[in-house]
Amino acid sequence: AQSVTQLDSQVPVFEEAPVELRCNYSSSVSVYLFWYVQYPNQGLQLLLKYLSGSTLVESINGFEAEFNKSQTSFHLRKPSVHISDTAEYFCAVRMEYGNKLVFGAGTILRVKS
Amino acid sequence: EAGVTQFPSHSVIEKGQTVTLRCDPISGHDNLYWYRRVMGKEIKFLLHFVKESKQDESGMPNNRFLAERTGGTYSTLKVQPAELEDSGVYFCASSQPGQALSGTQYFGPGTRLLVL
Repeated sequence: AQSVTQLDSQVPVFEEAPVELRCNYSSSVSVYLFWYVQYPNQGLQLLLKYLSGSTLVESINGFEAEFNKSQTSFHLRKPSVHISDTAEYFCAVRMEYGNKLVFGAGTILRVKS
Repeated sequence: EAGVTQFPSHSVIEKGQTVTLRCDPISGHDNLYWYRRVMGKEIKFLLHFVKESKQDESGMPNNRFLAERTGGTYSTLKVQPAELEDSGVYFCASSQPGQALSGTQYFGPGTRLLVL
């Protein structure tokens, strides 16, 4: 069975500092990888995804994630965070021929001024 | 284009009562999914519709939960009778036709259910 581990439940960081949100998964088959974000009082939004090709994927708001097959990781990074990045971030995987997403427990990113 | 909508946004009911949650997917999306997040834990898959057919209901916790999607448009998730452990946030998501295996799932804002 697949599982996703987000190693940090909360990550406090000062504005303009870099941040990394960690995600590891376990699966014996090929997977697709996703990061979703939930801003306060809003629904889940897709931040970025890895399906195939380049292992480094980027979002429009400066986040990036790198698929590392040997380490079964898909960590999310941003070189300089903004107050507006405060949200809960979810890592998710889906089997190559599956239909359901398997989520991690979420990481709350708190950006302080 | 309107996103996935869910109604109600919040529901507070007593143990033993019935609650019905509704999801309206993005227009034209044949694939509809229900997920649930209980007590700040992982978001977990409940079931998947393709049009009006249940493709995968392996995540449904027990027979107190009934999901329907008559006509292949909106879907309802009924909990009857509700128990305390059913409290949580229920998310609905949809994806485009023919893209159940590769398509992005677009999520609604969720329904926050509290069973007292």
